Amino acid sequence: GAVVSQHPSWVICKSGTSVKIECRSLDFQATTMFWYRQFPKQSLMLMATSNEGSKATYEQGVEKDKFLINHASLTLSTLTVTSAHPEDSSFYICSARVLVWGGELFFGEGSRLTVL
Amino acid sequence: AQRVTQPEKLLSVFKGAPVELKCNYSYSGSPELFWYVQYSRQRLQLLLRHISRESIKGFTADLNKGETSFHLKKPFAQEEDSAMYYCALSGGVKFYFGSGTKLNVKP
Repeated sequence: GAVVSQHPSWVICKSGTSVKIECRSLDFQATTMFWYRQFPKQSLMLMATSNEGSKATYEQGVEKDKFLINHASLTLSTLTVTSAHPEDSSFYICSARVLVWGGELFFGEGSRLTVL
Repeated sequence: AQRVTQPEKLLSVFKGAPVELKCNYSYSGSPELFWYVQYSRQRLQLLLRHISRESIKGFTADLNKGETSFHLKKPFAQEEDSAMYYCALSGGVKFYFGSGTKLNVKP
């Protein structure tokens, strides 16, 4: 199956700083990637759809200026949490859908963000 | 609007007992339904999808459009089935997930 890799797997930062999380498709090209946020013991919340070469599409209630998404190439999407605050602490997961492989969603390993 | 509901947060059964993880959905069109599983310290992975109508690791799920359900079943649970299970719906490009059910299979 397709391999999606995230980096870093965990990060701790100070309040007010910005953090970038990378999501790479290692053995396929992903024109579309998805960013999810997972709260403890809760579901995955779709934050945005990242489209290669164009602007991301954000879900209702997600601040696009807070969570900057860039999909500059067919193998890389980045999520930048700007001016992070403790309430942004969460588990962020990226994923990609590979239509030629049945359309299932392949997930990265996730990135744990802790904002002090 | 789309919605996926998994009413049970935790399901505990003994090894060898039957298991049913419930999933109900609401969607205006014809969705694709999936079950994803997350074992301890591993990433989410696909378990099965309604289109393929196959059995994976002994699990099956039937799409009931009348009841808008996609319950996951296994006749005899194994300890290695202990994991988080997420029901998911896709109406096109995006996937939407239920809140998940933690299955604990006791020896």
